[in-house]
Order: sequence, then structure tokens, then C-alpha cells
Amino acid sequence: GENVEQHPSTLSVQEGDSAVIKCTYSDSASNYFPWYKQELGKGPQLIIDIRSNVGEKKDQRIAVTLNKTAKHFSLHITETQPEDSAVYFCAAPKAAGNKLTFGGGTRVLVKP
Amino acid sequence: SAVISQKPSRDICQRGTSLTIQCQVDSQVTMMFWYRQQPGQSLTLIATANQGSEATYESGFVIDKFPISRPNLTFSTLTVSNMSPEDSSIYLCSGLRGPQTFQETQYFGPGTRLLVL
Repeated sequence: GENVEQHPSTLSVQEGDSAVIKCTYSDSASNYFPWYKQELGKGPQLIIDIRSNVGEKKDQRIAVTLNKTAKHFSLHITETQPEDSAVYFCAAPKAAGNKLTFGGGTRVLVKP
Repeated sequence: SAVISQKPSRDICQRGTSLTIQCQVDSQVTMMFWYRQQPGQSLTLIATANQGSEATYESGFVIDKFPISRPNLTFSTLTVSNMSPEDSSIYLCSGLRGPQTFQETQYFGPGTRLLVL
């Protein structure tokens, strides 16, 4: 089955700096990679996703890059703001199906 | 995005009792899933809720402990049976929008926070 590893587990950045979270996956057939943001007391919220036919996708201050050869993908947050403080999860599908395997999560703290 | 609601939002239960969690999704959702998130941990898939038939459970989860129903397209329940303190977790319902043949976006409900004493 799919194995997803996520690093770092915690990340502290100064407001305005960039934050990068990296994930690796094991199943080369995986073709869809979402990122979720979970704020305290809430369910995970999809913030961006990428499919295997593209290498990069941007949405305002967030971007995701995908390297299929190396089987890793990364989340980039630029110009971080205090409201970016949350736990971020990457995920990849099991056996290229609809079920998701999640990374261990990254707790991001943006210091004002 | 899909609209997904859950109730209760939280509960405190005594060991040995059972709790049923309800999930309501909008009509655009095709597949429904139930996840568990233990304190400070990531999400683990419990099962896929199948409409009108038995749920499909992941390794480590069994129907006797987590019976699931999905009587129609937009509603599902998860029961946590014979609870112990180790069942204290957030239970999350999610829905998949789009054709089942494609990997489409999974949306999550707000979760049910369960504390077992």
C-alpha cells in the first residue's frame, strides 16, 4: 500500500518569510496529491492539489511542486501571515484509487 | 466545495457505552469515508461507507467495533461501540465529489470530538 512521509513535523517561521513542507510517497502509480490545512477545532480543509500531469501549481501565496521521478511533492507558502498557523497534511491515493493515505502532519507556527 | 455536516460536534461518554455519529453531505458527493484522528496524530481511514450495503473496512478496523450505515446517497452514520478511553479521538466524515473513475477532491466535515472516560 501507499506510504506517505512528511517533513518537518513542526515549523516555526517569522511573519513574511516562506515555509516549505515536503512529502514523499511510495506508490509510483499515485497520480493525485492534495494538501489540507487543519485549524484548531476544525476539520481538514483542502487548500491546493496537484495531478501527475503537471509539475507545479500556484494559488496566490501557496504553491505545490511535484517530482514524479523522485516521488516527492512540496507545499510552499510565501509571505506567511499569522493566520497561516495551523497543521498541514499532505496525502496520496492508495493504489491510484480514491482512498487517501495521509502524511504525519506539519504544525506551522507563524510568529508576528 | 461540498457541504458536509456532522453531529454531534463533541461528546463525553462513559466506557462501555456506544455513540452514533451522523454525517450529512450535499447531493454532489459520490463516495463517503470515515476517518479517525487520534490526539495530535494524522488521519487514518476507518472505512468506505457504501450506499445500501456493508461498509468496506481498512486493516485494523472491524464492523463489530465500528458499524457503519449509509441508507442513501447523502447520509451516513458511524457507531463507536463498547467504548474505551483509547477510542478518544476526532472522527471525521469525508465526501468525494466527481466521477468514481477519477481521483477527485475529498472534502471533510468539521469532525466529532469524542472523549471516553
